[in-house]
Amino acid sequence: VQLQESGPGLVKPSETLSLTCTVSGDSLNNYSWSWMRQSAEKGLEWIGRIYTSGNTDYNPSLKSRVTMSVDTSRNQFSLQVTSVTAADTAVYYCARGDGYCIRTTCYGLLAFDIWGQGTMVVVSS
Amino acid sequence: DIQMTQSPSSLSASVGDRVTITCRASQNIDTYLTWYQQKPGKAPELLIYAASTLQSGVPSRFSGGGSGTDFTLTISGLQREDFATYYCQHSHGTRTFGQGTKVDIK
Repeated sequence: VQLQESGPGLVKPSETLSLTCTVSGDSLNNYSWSWMRQSAEKGLEWIGRIYTSGNTDYNPSLKSRVTMSVDTSRNQFSLQVTSVTAADTAVYYCARGDGYCIRTTCYGLLAFDIWGQGTMVVVSS
Repeated sequence: DIQMTQSPSSLSASVGDRVTITCRASQNIDTYLTWYQQKPGKAPELLIYAASTLQSGVPSRFSGGGSGTDFTLTISGLQREDFATYYCQHSHGTRTFGQGTKVDIK
């Protein structure tokens, strides 16, 4: 299984950052799919995840600006971050996972087991 | 959000050394703790999940332990390919990562 991020490497302040992750070697079904980002200032940060049902969980710190979507026919999932600033400059990763728990029962692997190589996004005019 | 604090932030070690990295959660996370290894310019790679379960293909010199708020990652017999940065991450609510521990060559 391989994941590959794609999208613009440069985004202007106040505009929308859009990335796509293409999954090869397996179906999107039966897993959730996540986005992370990494910067020197904030370290590794989980942005959120999407299930093939379309259900999503977002990091509350980014929830107002983040939208994730999934296209099972293309085996892709996508990330949009609106109203970007320099603070959104980072390496963005897509990853498979993770699972979730309801009370004491957990479903799926509670870890991000496969990652894309990452794509650098710079926010600058 | 639950905060994850790793110590030390960096350490220098020699090939063959035993190295232990600590990760502390700001509240009880049971065993919902994962360890990753990251090398420069690469994505993180999964080492250990559920605090102590080794991911398939990861050498047995890596081990994890702990529960609740205190966790450890131990490398028994450091190899040259182990020089990297290690991160802990919890899966109890909004996922957060530790700040990382860089292991470099003494």
